[in-house]
Amino acid sequence: AQSVTQLGSHVSVSEGALVLLRCNYSSSVPPYLFWYVQYPNQGLQLLLKYTSAATLVKGINGFEAEFKKSETSFHLTKPSAHMSDAAEYFCAVSPRGSNYKLTFGKGTLLTVNP
Amino acid sequence: EAGVTQFPSHSVIEKGQTVTLRCDPISGHDNLYWYRRVMGKEIKFLLHFVKESKQDESGMPNNRFLAERTGGTYSTLKVQPAELEDSGVYFCASSPPKTGTEAFFGQGTRLTVV
Repeated sequence: AQSVTQLGSHVSVSEGALVLLRCNYSSSVPPYLFWYVQYPNQGLQLLLKYTSAATLVKGINGFEAEFKKSETSFHLTKPSAHMSDAAEYFCAVSPRGSNYKLTFGKGTLLTVNP
Repeated sequence: EAGVTQFPSHSVIEKGQTVTLRCDPISGHDNLYWYRRVMGKEIKFLLHFVKESKQDESGMPNNRFLAERTGGTYSTLKVQPAELEDSGVYFCASSPPKTGTEAFFGQGTRLTVV
């Protein structure tokens, strides 16, 4: 069975600081990996996904994530936080080749301080 | 193009009552998924339709939950009778037939059972 662990249910950064949200997964084979974001009063929006090939994935709004098989990690980063990045972020996995059943982490609430 | 639409956005019902949630997927998306987030917990998979057929309903909590997708278009999720522990946010998502493509989520229905 697959599982996802997001370290830190709440992360607080200053505007302009680096954003690092951690995600580790457990799976017998490398799965598909996703980061979703939920802004207040909105649905889940895909930030980026890793399905194959390049291990460094660039997403929307300046976010990127690196798939590290040896560490079973898929951490999300952004060099400089904006106030508008304040939201809840979810890491998710699905079985490779499926279409597809997502297993989510518990989410990380990002606060950006002025 | 319209996104995934869910109705209602909020619902407050009494224990023992019946509630029906509706999801209109993106046109042409054969795959439709229901997920649920109970407060403080991770988002969990409930079931997956391919067109009008249930592909995987392993996440359905019990037989008080009934999902249908008439004609492979919109889907409904009925809870009858509702219990307090059914409270949470119910998300619907849809995706095209191609494997590995992203799922697009609706805004969710917040269900409160009192």
